[in-house]
Amino acid sequence: QVQLVESGGGVVQPGRSLRLSCEASGFPFTFYVMHWVRQAPGKGLEWVAAISHDGRIEYYVDSVRGRFTISRDNSKKTLFLQMNSLKTEDTAVYFCATLAAADVWGQGTTVSVSS
Amino acid sequence: ASQMTQSPSSLSASVGDRVTITCRASQGIRNDVNWYQQKPGKAPKLLIYAANTLESGVPSRFSGNGSGTDFTLTISSLQPEDLATYYCLQDLNYPLNFGGGTKVEIK
Repeated sequence: QVQLVESGGGVVQPGRSLRLSCEASGFPFTFYVMHWVRQAPGKGLEWVAAISHDGRIEYYVDSVRGRFTISRDNSKKTLFLQMNSLKTEDTAVYFCATLAAADVWGQGTTVSVSS
Repeated sequence: ASQMTQSPSSLSASVGDRVTITCRASQGIRNDVNWYQQKPGKAPKLLIYAANTLESGVPSRFSGNGSGTDFTLTISSLQPEDLATYYCLQDLNYPLNFGGGTKVEIK
């Protein structure tokens, strides 16, 4: 079964950290560039970060660069997003996705940053 | 990177109507545009990639067109299950950019 399953979301205070995981199955994970996309409550989609198939190249939206780190473990078919120095504006549902033909998205994990 | 301006932000149409959604890129992006459908409470679903290629399993009433800076998504005959928000995405240059979304309602 082709799927991505995110985990690690939760409620945190501003300035704290959280690590999201995304476990892949049913497709050749190691061949794909992988992405994180988020959606704030009642808002549109925002691309957050991407990582090359081999993990060597990372890309970020300006608003998270220096605070978030994307990584992957191809042996475990798992994508990660380390989120540090969280801000209230990071509150969103976070999706992992392939953003490619034969597209695969996770169900999303909710991150709420609040004091 | 290219910004994507999507219009309209919302529309209401009747079953059977032809519906067109537009995305304009701030700079030329060849045909590197995808279109997604998102139903309430669900993850987005890819409809069209490379501006005009229908994703496998997507009904043929959906079509995409355009290249350079101007792109369209057309639903040839709106169906009740097409109630959703639609997004374009430019995937030529990082950072990638989604359009602001078009909420489609059924009259």
